Amino acid sequence: GENVEQHPSTLSVQEGDSAVIKCTYSDSASNYFPWYKQELGKGSQLIIDIRSNVGEKKDQRIAVTLNKTAKHFSLHITETQPEDSAVYFCAASNSGGGADGLTFGKGTHLIIQP
Amino acid sequence: EPEVTQTPSHQVTQMGQEVILRCVPISNHLYFYWYRQILGQKVEFLVSFYNNEISEKSEIFDDQFSVERPDGSNFTLKIRSTKLEDSAMYFCASSITPQGIYNEQFFGPGTRLTVL
Repeated sequence: GENVEQHPSTLSVQEGDSAVIKCTYSDSASNYFPWYKQELGKGSQLIIDIRSNVGEKKDQRIAVTLNKTAKHFSLHITETQPEDSAVYFCAASNSGGGADGLTFGKGTHLIIQP
Repeated sequence: EPEVTQTPSHQVTQMGQEVILRCVPISNHLYFYWYRQILGQKVEFLVSFYNNEISEKSEIFDDQFSVERPDGSNFTLKIRSTKLEDSAMYFCASSITPQGIYNEQFFGPGTRLTVL
């Protein structure tokens, strides 16, 4: 089955700097890669996702890149703000049309230093 | 904004007891999921549910587990005879369509299950 590895487990950056979180996956059939943000006491929220037919997607300060050959995908947050502090999870799935579950990475605790 | 809700937020039970974890998915969603996260480990997929039956399930989802949509709003996970290793955060999620179309799964805040 699919295995997703995520690095780093903790990332501390100065406010205004960029943050990059990296994930690798093992199953070449995976074709959907969402990123979730989890804040304390709340459900994880989807912040951006990418499908395997594109290499990059951007939404304001957030971008995701995908390298299918290397089976890598990364989350980039620019101009970080205090409200970006949270745990971020990457995930992968093979969206073959069924109600497939997501395979998650272990999470990255992002800390924005003021 | 609509959200997935879960009750209780924390459940403590004795080993061997049955527990039912409850979820209210977003009202127009059709696909429902349960995940769990053991402390310090990854979030793991347990089961998905559509049209009143299980769609997919993982190896973790053995005969101890069952899911049900008892009415038009609730989605439940039952663990028949809890074991110490069932202690985890359990997350419910829902989506309007399956992964192949609109992929976003909306997650609830989780129920922390502690088995003593």
